[in-house]
Amino acid sequence: EAQVTQNPRYLITVTGKKLTVTCSQNMNHEYMSWYRQDPGLGLRQIYYSMNVEVTDKGDVPEGYKVSRKEKRNFPLILESPSPNQTSLYFCASSLAWVGSGSNEKLFFGSGTQLSVL
Amino acid sequence: KQEVTQIPAALSVPEGENLVLNCSFTDSAIYNLQWFRQDPGKGLTSLLLIQSSQREQTSGRLNASLDKSSGRSTLYIAASQPGDSATYLCAAPGGTSYGKLTFGQGTILTVHP
Repeated sequence: EAQVTQNPRYLITVTGKKLTVTCSQNMNHEYMSWYRQDPGLGLRQIYYSMNVEVTDKGDVPEGYKVSRKEKRNFPLILESPSPNQTSLYFCASSLAWVGSGSNEKLFFGSGTQLSVL
Repeated sequence: KQEVTQIPAALSVPEGENLVLNCSFTDSAIYNLQWFRQDPGKGLTSLLLIQSSQREQTSGRLNASLDKSSGRSTLYIAASQPGDSATYLCAAPGGTSYGKLTFGQGTILTVHP
């Protein structure tokens, strides 16, 4: 089944303890992206990757890191989490970057609910 | 920077009504726009992707239109059903910002029997 898989689904941690949220897609997609969703603020883009070894900042990259060493995986790393990073996180992917005029839809993972105490 | 606004923020309708959700964007230098559905506690599912050359796209009871010149898109839902209850979001690429996708805050739709 074609899908974007995020793990874990739920995570509770403490301030300063490094964590990684994994994201994997099995559709050979070039483009991958991370978003956070907060009440009243909607979905905001954290980082995106156009292809392997190519990543760039979205609108809210502070406090986050990403890597794209393989096409299928795009982990989100919080080196020193803080309470303001408590949020619902989504990973998404598409075959090609939709903004270039492609007809490729964006597929989302089920989300990771992160609480930083 | 692309900004996307959705109106109304919430909508409650009786079953069977036809309804329109609105999406406006500030940077019209886009090739397409996408509409998504989000159920509570779930990820987003892409409903329709409209290319600027198409101006309209249909899937079942859903019809989306795109007018770049006015910076607007609409999602029309015909003969609404309780199963249509969800949050609907539109997303536009960042114009000249390659790789960026900006979402509206969504319209929460409730269809009651």
